Amino acid sequence: QQPVQSPQAVILREGEDAVINCSSSKALYSVHWYRQKHGEAPIFLMILLKGGEQKGHDKISASFNEKKQQSSLYLTASQLSYSGTYFCGTGDPSTGANSKLTFGKGITLSVRP
Amino acid sequence: NAGVMQNPRHLVRRRGQEARLRCSPMKGHSHVYWYRQLPEEGLKFMVYLQKENIIDESGMPKERFSAEFPKEGPSILRIQQVVRGDSAAYFCASSPFSEYYGYTFGSGTRLTVV
Repeated sequence: QQPVQSPQAVILREGEDAVINCSSSKALYSVHWYRQKHGEAPIFLMILLKGGEQKGHDKISASFNEKKQQSSLYLTASQLSYSGTYFCGTGDPSTGANSKLTFGKGITLSVRP
Repeated sequence: NAGVMQNPRHLVRRRGQEARLRCSPMKGHSHVYWYRQLPEEGLKFMVYLQKENIIDESGMPKERFSAEFPKEGPSILRIQQVVRGDSAAYFCASSPFSEYYGYTFGSGTRLTVV
């Protein structure tokens, strides 16, 4: 089942914050977050495995709610380099946390000067 | 330390021809995955391989598509008798032997069928 990402698009000014969500009607086994710039490879941001988990680096962090049905990606004090399409990918308990990911459709985030 | 290497970056094939896409995983990574991406859509899982083994090919069409990851050399995704609908970006990714790591993606092969 494909996870649903929201909002559909985000436009920010440099320095502003944003939250991107990844939701499912069923409990998720794992959540990966990636950022892809046009014409380039997706870049891994982080993976969350446990309900209630939070992790982050620099000004990008993510959380996985207790029921494991939603993950959110937090971008604080956004920089121009944050622009791109953000994908969440969810793992399958029958195959492992990263063996066969089902990706959402992605959210385009644009940071303007 | 080179990342995941995919070639060619762009491939044009006429309908009915064969397409061969190559992927060399990151050094130390034993797991290889192939995903397909269409414009404005997310990545769709195709196949998961380890050396000399296909672990999961549930996302791959039953006909015309095959994948391998031989003991020596790169992983190959092969599409026989290509059709216009095969036009897409094909991404290969690799990961270490652990479910706690994310993927390292290659830059993709953009296949155009004319």
